[in-house]
Amino acid sequence: QVQLQQSGAEIKKPGASVKVSCKASGYRFTDYYLNWVRQAPGQGLEWMGWINPDSGATIYEYKFQDRVTMTRDTSITTGYLEVRSLRSDDTAVYYCASGGSVSSGSGEYWGQGTLVTVSS
Amino acid sequence: DIQMTQSPSSVSASVGSKVTITCRASQRIASWLAWYQHTPGKAPKLLIYAASNLQSGVPSRFSGSGSGTDFTLTISSLQPEDSATYYCQQANSFLGHTFGGGTKVEIK
Repeated sequence: QVQLQQSGAEIKKPGASVKVSCKASGYRFTDYYLNWVRQAPGQGLEWMGWINPDSGATIYEYKFQDRVTMTRDTSITTGYLEVRSLRSDDTAVYYCASGGSVSSGSGEYWGQGTLVTVSS
Repeated sequence: DIQMTQSPSSVSASVGSKVTITCRASQRIASWLAWYQHTPGKAPKLLIYAASNLQSGVPSRFSGSGSGTDFTLTISSLQPEDSATYYCQQANSFLGHTFGGGTKVEIK
């Protein structure tokens, strides 16, 4: 069955970087965009961007363009989200999502989420 | 950027009642809209895609309608397990998958 398995929780200091991974299985990795979405404590869902695993093309939400990079390694069907210059308001659960029809938004399949805590 | 505005921000309703959530886009998006259900500690769940298509496995009490700028998610007969926060999302990949602010549904 389709699975998106994310890396474990991270604790980082302000100014540091974090890289979250998302291992896909059960479908052809290059068939669907891989989205990244986050939810800060007490806040709603926030779309960060997507990567086309086939071409490597990306689109980022404007507010993240300077600090976020999405990459992928097709040989191990894994996508990555790197966030740089972390601030306390980057503390959030980060999700990867993919699959579904072309008009399903972020996707039908979601990872379990990765908690990133930014604290001095 | 396209802005997505949901209302109400929260609603409390009895089991068996009908609940309606609206979502307005800041510009026309045809039927490029998805609805998600999110409960604490779990990943979001896709309910509706292309504004009105029920995702496989989702109960038929959920339905979506609308096109252009105005969209609606309806729960025809609210069940205890429907207690969650619901989000609309603009689904055109080249315009950015902006989420609405969310609507928290509580059971009275």
